[in-house]
Amino acid sequence: NAGVTQTPKFQVLKTGQSMTLQCAQDMNHNSMYWYRQDPGMGLRLIYYSASEGTTDKGEVPNGYNVSRLNKREFSLRLESAAPSQTSVYFCASMRLAGGETQYFGPGTRLLVL
Amino acid sequence: QKEVEQNSGPLSVPEGAIASLNCTYSDRGSQSFFWYRQYSGKSPELIMFIYSNGDKEDGRFTAQLNKASQYVSLLIRDSQPSDSATYLCAVEGDSNYQLIWGAGTKLIIKP
Repeated sequence: NAGVTQTPKFQVLKTGQSMTLQCAQDMNHNSMYWYRQDPGMGLRLIYYSASEGTTDKGEVPNGYNVSRLNKREFSLRLESAAPSQTSVYFCASMRLAGGETQYFGPGTRLLVL
Repeated sequence: QKEVEQNSGPLSVPEGAIASLNCTYSDRGSQSFFWYRQYSGKSPELIMFIYSNGDKEDGRFTAQLNKASQYVSLLIRDSQPSDSATYLCAVEGDSNYQLIWGAGTKLIIKP
């Protein structure tokens, strides 16, 4: 039982390049989330998927797109990376709504030059 | 805009003492409250959750919730150097699929 996994662990991009961050969970959770965390700041929600087949914007969705590929996988795409997207990205999952615990992946450290 | 506020710290506590971490929230209707611990360079991990007013104890950790005053706190008894981390407070948001996060309090336990 690996929990929540993310790939890659670290990535360097040039401004304007694109990339997709991958996330998978093996806990049969319904909801999945993408956050970014910048130094000295809390977690900011980019997008979430309450259940397979649905996605919704969070607090900071601009410059990102997501795909809920199936119940296990939720990917985050940067179409044209900008230095302001330099951050640590965390994927999380939650079994159900309503006060449940979110479980986090190990994170992807992204540097955009 | 719903908010969760935490003192960023760092909070320095001697080993063996009680560490007290506080969090206030703006939405009076919030029902679920979480404390996560995040070691440097690692992902957040859940320590405790609390739904009802009062105290909830789990080992050396006690969460306290006061809905009337809109604050939630975390007490760590017999603090150990391994407790040194950033502690994130999270509160259920508008949608019960979302959490609103505080910026975290950095705790340093001095041997």
